Amino acid sequence: GAGVSQSPSNKVTEKGKDVELRCDPISGHTALYWYRQSLGQGLEFLIYFQGNSAPDKSGLPSDRFSAERTGGSVSTLTIQRTQQEDSAVYLCASSRAGTSGSNEQFFGPGTRLTVL
Amino acid sequence: GNSVTQMEGPVTLSEEAFLTINCTYTATGYPSLFWYVQYPGEGLQLLLKATKADDKGSNKGFEATYRKETTSFHLEKGSVQVSDSAVYFCALSDSASGTYKYIFGTGTRLKVLA
Repeated sequence: GAGVSQSPSNKVTEKGKDVELRCDPISGHTALYWYRQSLGQGLEFLIYFQGNSAPDKSGLPSDRFSAERTGGSVSTLTIQRTQQEDSAVYLCASSRAGTSGSNEQFFGPGTRLTVL
Repeated sequence: GNSVTQMEGPVTLSEEAFLTINCTYTATGYPSLFWYVQYPGEGLQLLLKATKADDKGSNKGFEATYRKETTSFHLEKGSVQVSDSAVYFCALSDSASGTYKYIFGTGTRLKVLA
């Protein structure tokens, strides 16, 4: 089947605007992760969803960042009042279940966010 | 906390040369270990994995062995090709957090010259 898809692929916004990034995981995958890839910070974890459980938000860098996952499938990452340091590639990944470390994560192509 | 240390790049090799990219980790418990590859303009792809000590992961001529005694998971390939030029990331699955989120190394850029 299809892999993880993300939209948009590129987003350019002005400082202070809100942005929404979308992730469609692989069908049947119950675990969903968001990561951020930036030059200064490398690849860092942001948030994790597993089924209908409360998400693990421990990686979100500030309260301007939030995410939701509707119906256990599609997820949206929202960044409010964007800042230039939010510029990065935002990656979404899914796996069959977040209950075993051996389950590999499948990554989407990412959304490149540029804040001017 | 858990962490992954990966050798700095870039690494430049001639075609058919031997490749080693070092990766060591610090972890609570017994994490699974992974190598991901990011080809130019593409997303992250799993290259290989190992889920317990002494396991060897292999794929496309690349190998890595999970060494618990040295907390290492070095990536090797006997003869690299130009098509192997990419960025390689070592990662562990954080079992202690209960989420199995990945903790990544900083990535190593490999350039193979014809």
